[in-house]
Amino acid sequence: NAGVTQTPKFQVLKTGQSMTLQCAQDMNHEYMSWYRQDPGMGLRLIHYSVGAGITDQGEVPNGYNVSRSTTEDFPLRLLSAAPSQTSVYFCASRLGPGGSYEQYFGPGTRLTVT
Amino acid sequence: KQEVTQIPAALSVPEGENLVLNCSFTDSAIYNLQWFRQDPGKGLTSLLLIQSSQREQTSGRLNASLDKSSGRSTLYIAASQPGDSATYLCAVRGFGNEKLTFGTGTRLTIIP
Repeated sequence: NAGVTQTPKFQVLKTGQSMTLQCAQDMNHEYMSWYRQDPGMGLRLIHYSVGAGITDQGEVPNGYNVSRSTTEDFPLRLLSAAPSQTSVYFCASRLGPGGSYEQYFGPGTRLTVT
Repeated sequence: KQEVTQIPAALSVPEGENLVLNCSFTDSAIYNLQWFRQDPGKGLTSLLLIQSSQREQTSGRLNASLDKSSGRSTLYIAASQPGDSATYLCAVRGFGNEKLTFGTGTRLTIIP
């Protein structure tokens, strides 16, 4: 298994541009999440999904959109990038109900917005 | 609101020593607690998951304990090695909540 994969690894955007961060997992996990990591702060939840077609907001959802059309993929869309969205973004997944709550993380996407 | 604290922020110890990393949380109503390691520029690797009903979990040289009533967890690393150098993060999950609340981590350096 490749586990949780993310693309791209690095991205530089100008203010106002849009882009999609890709996330995929091959472990047949039902639950997937997006976190951002900023210096001096713990990781914070942006959006999550408990299955295909079902998404919900986390702690810091503003400026981001998600959708989940398949079990494997959970892309994160930045609608109009702002310098405050400069961060490292991590995708995570875990088994659904009845399974372990152990969370698996991808390698991250480092985003800079100028 | 749950808050997770990890002190110290950084720790250096000579190779071979046993060491303890600390994690404290403000709300004892947690479902589980998970320890991760993060290498520079990399993602998070899960080390140990402790359910709220458990007191400890062990994996190789690692042992994690949980005291819910006092809002504390410790990660014990035995016979430390240079390869253990990384940032160690703890995260707690509340009931009926998909969110993990993370601490800011302890950056561990093992000196050869």
